[in-house]
Parts: sequence; C-alpha cells; structure tokens
Amino acid sequence: NAGVTQTPKFQVLKTGQSMTLQCAQDMNHEYMSWYRQDPGMGLRLIHYSVGAGITDQGEVPNGYNVSRSTTEDFPLRLLSAAPSQTSVYFCASTPGQNTDTQYFGPGTRLTVL
Amino acid sequence: AQSVTQLDSQVPVFEEAPVELRCNYSSSVSVYLFWYVQYPNQGLQLLLKYLSGSTLVESINGFEAEFNKSQTSFHLRKPSVHISDTAEYFCAVSPFYNTDKLIFGTGTRLQVFP
Repeated sequence: NAGVTQTPKFQVLKTGQSMTLQCAQDMNHEYMSWYRQDPGMGLRLIHYSVGAGITDQGEVPNGYNVSRSTTEDFPLRLLSAAPSQTSVYFCASTPGQNTDTQYFGPGTRLTVL
Repeated sequence: AQSVTQLDSQVPVFEEAPVELRCNYSSSVSVYLFWYVQYPNQGLQLLLKYLSGSTLVESINGFEAEFNKSQTSFHLRKPSVHISDTAEYFCAVSPFYNTDKLIFGTGTRLQVFP
C-alpha cells in the first residue's frame, strides 16, 4: 500500500489564483481530513469527510472547499488564494469512526504571494 | 470542547540525557490522548497513544507517556535521547466518542545535541 499520498509537494501561487491540492489513500479508509500547519499553531482541522459524498467543516474552513466523490480521493480546493493561506497542508485518513490512529500524508507546502 | 497546551515550544538537550515534553489538556468528557512525531520534511507519525487501561504507555523507540487524570496531563519522557530523536512532537486529544477530530497542541521541537 502507498498509504496516504499528496500532490504537489510544493506550490507557489499568486493572490487570487485557484488550485486543488490532491489527496488519495489506498487503504479503504472511510474518514479523511485536511489540516494546515502553521508555526506556533500546531495543526488545525480545515475540513473532514466521514465517507464518500459526506463532508463537514473543521476549525478553519473559510477559503477552502472539499468534495468526496470516491472513498479514495479527498481534494482540497482554494478558489481564490490569499497570502494568509500560505502554510503546510496535511491530509490524513482513518479506517472508520472511533478508530484511534490517523495516517498522515507527506504534506504540501503552499506559498501564496 | 477539548484543548491541548504544550508549554515548551523548544527543548534543547544533549545526547544521552533524559527529556520530558509536557502536555496538558482540558475536556468536559473522557478523552483519548496521543503523541505524534514529525521528523524534518515529513508528515506526522503516531508515537504512542492512551485509550484506556494502564496509564503508562510506551513506544517502540523508548519513549513513554503517563496519563494523569487528576492533573490532566500526558507528559512524554525518554530516559536517554539520541541524535535521531530530533523532531517536532505534537500532543493531541480527541473525545472518546470521535477520534477522527483530533485537537493538536502547538508542538514542541526537541533538538538533541552531540
């Protein structure tokens, strides 16, 4: 199994541009999440999904959209990037509700100029 | 709601010395507790976890953490650190009924010097 994969690893955007961060897992996990990591703030939950077709907001959802059309994929969309979205983004998955371990992808480092 | 406090943003230590990384939490319900480790330029990996039972939990690489309910703490300890332990360590908490919404602390950077 490849586990949780994320693309791209690095991305530079101009303010106002849009892009999609890709996340995929091949472990048949039901739950998937997106976090952003900022210095001195730890990881904060952006959006999460409890299964295909179901998504919900986390702690910091503004400026981001998600969809979950398949169990494997959970893309994160920035419709109009802002410098405040400069961060490292991590995708994570867990097998199912009340499963204790989250599996993290390697991260995407995004810079918005 | 749950929250996690990691008071030490950085902990410098010499190789083979003991180390303690502090973690305190608050919650109105029972919780599960986790320590994740992030090595440079990598994602997070689970180090150890407390779900129930023995309050002392151990990892395969010599770390241990003790759940103290009265002090709402879950401090991480290692009696003798190695250079390879240099990383950022995150304490996390989830309510017992939903482990998919982890709340992370701000992280502690452990720097081990030779």
